[in-house]
Amino acid sequence: GQQVMQIPQYQHVQEGEDFTTYCNSSTTLSNIQWYKQRPGGHPVFLIQLVKSGEVKKQKRLTFQFGEAKKNSSLHITATQTTDVGTYFCAGPPGGSYIPTFGRGTSLIVHP
Amino acid sequence: GAGVSQTPSNKVTEKGKYVELRCDPISGHTALYWYRQSLGQGPEFLIYFQGTGAADDSGLPNDRFFAVRPEGSVSTLKIQRTERGDSAVYLCASSLGNTGPVETQYFGPGTRLLVL
Repeated sequence: GQQVMQIPQYQHVQEGEDFTTYCNSSTTLSNIQWYKQRPGGHPVFLIQLVKSGEVKKQKRLTFQFGEAKKNSSLHITATQTTDVGTYFCAGPPGGSYIPTFGRGTSLIVHP
Repeated sequence: GAGVSQTPSNKVTEKGKYVELRCDPISGHTALYWYRQSLGQGPEFLIYFQGTGAADDSGLPNDRFFAVRPEGSVSTLKIQRTERGDSAVYLCASSLGNTGPVETQYFGPGTRLLVL
């Protein structure tokens, strides 16, 4: 079955440093979604990428979808303590409605 | 309602007991998903409803798990003969359901199930 892998599993940064998490799928995805889950909270939708090579920005967050639609990345510039949480990528294989979630990358920001 | 709601927020039960978890999706959302999340893991798909019917139940781990959505709105996840390994957070999500696979899912706060 489809596998979605995320690295790293954990990332400690000092406030102000940049952060990147990578997502790789074993199969081609119809789209990729990114979610953020705060400690004790539930996943909250951040963004969705659909097109091959697509890049989208939300303030300090930059999301990329690979040309082959099998990988994606999330980059945060100048992290803040409010960025703390676990970032998940999720993507349905082509034609499916069911997204497979990665294990997530937990971001810890030290003030 | 403003968002997806789930009840109860926490459930403690004994091994072998039956439990029901409820999900109330966003009004007007025809698609509803159940996921299970264990500590340190991403949400694991269980079942997907489109309207009243289970469009995909391939994620249900075994026949102890069952879910219904009789009127196309509220859904109930039912677990029979609970086992300690069923302990997890059960998440429900809903989406519009009419725009294909490219849809935003809105998650509820989850039900934290602990089987003793």
